[in-house]
Amino acid sequence: GDSVTQTEGLVTLTEGLPVMLNCTYQSTYSPFLFWYVQHLNEAPKLLLKSFTDNKRPEHQGFHATLHKSSSSFHLQKSSAQLSDSALYYCALSDRDYGSSGNKLIFGIGTLLSVKP
Amino acid sequence: ETAVFQTPNYHVTQVGNEVSFNCKQTLGHDTMYWYKQDSKKLLKIMFSYNNKQLIVNETVPRRFSPQSSDKAHLNLRIKSVEPEDSAVYLCASSPTGSGNTLYFGEGSRLIVV
Repeated sequence: GDSVTQTEGLVTLTEGLPVMLNCTYQSTYSPFLFWYVQHLNEAPKLLLKSFTDNKRPEHQGFHATLHKSSSSFHLQKSSAQLSDSALYYCALSDRDYGSSGNKLIFGIGTLLSVKP
Repeated sequence: ETAVFQTPNYHVTQVGNEVSFNCKQTLGHDTMYWYKQDSKKLLKIMFSYNNKQLIVNETVPRRFSPQSSDKAHLNLRIKSVEPEDSAVYLCASSPTGSGNTLYFGEGSRLIVV
């Protein structure tokens, strides 16, 4: 079945350093990939979504590139800010709505802690 | 700006009791979901409904039952809670179709003692 792997549970960075959170996936078909972010005591919300073409989605300085050859959708940012501290989930949804109903399959989440 | 509303935010109850969580969305979406976020922050789909019809029913214990009165409301009832039901239950909605963004509520935290 479909699955998402996020390898790091906790990433601690100093403000200003680059961010890279890893995400790889397994899927029978070519799925949609997402990054959701959840700040403390808040709802998860969409950060980025993969495009069907080769465009690279960007939001709030974050970007991610879908590499079908390596089944990866790593999240990157050139310079971490204190406000980036949050829980980041990589997720996928199947393109076949009939069988999956647009359900999201989430990775375990990576907690990003940015320190001064 | 919140558009998926959940009540109650927090509930403490004893093993064996019944609890219900309510969810309403004002986004005009046709699809609604319940997810469980456990103590390790693992997020797993439980159910999804499209226009009041159940379309996804993952392997959850039979004591969990979703209820939908219309496409804007999706409630979750737990008939006889167990300690392992302690978690945050997140409601979400999206437009119908693959690849659409899910909009989550802030969650209902259940503590079973």
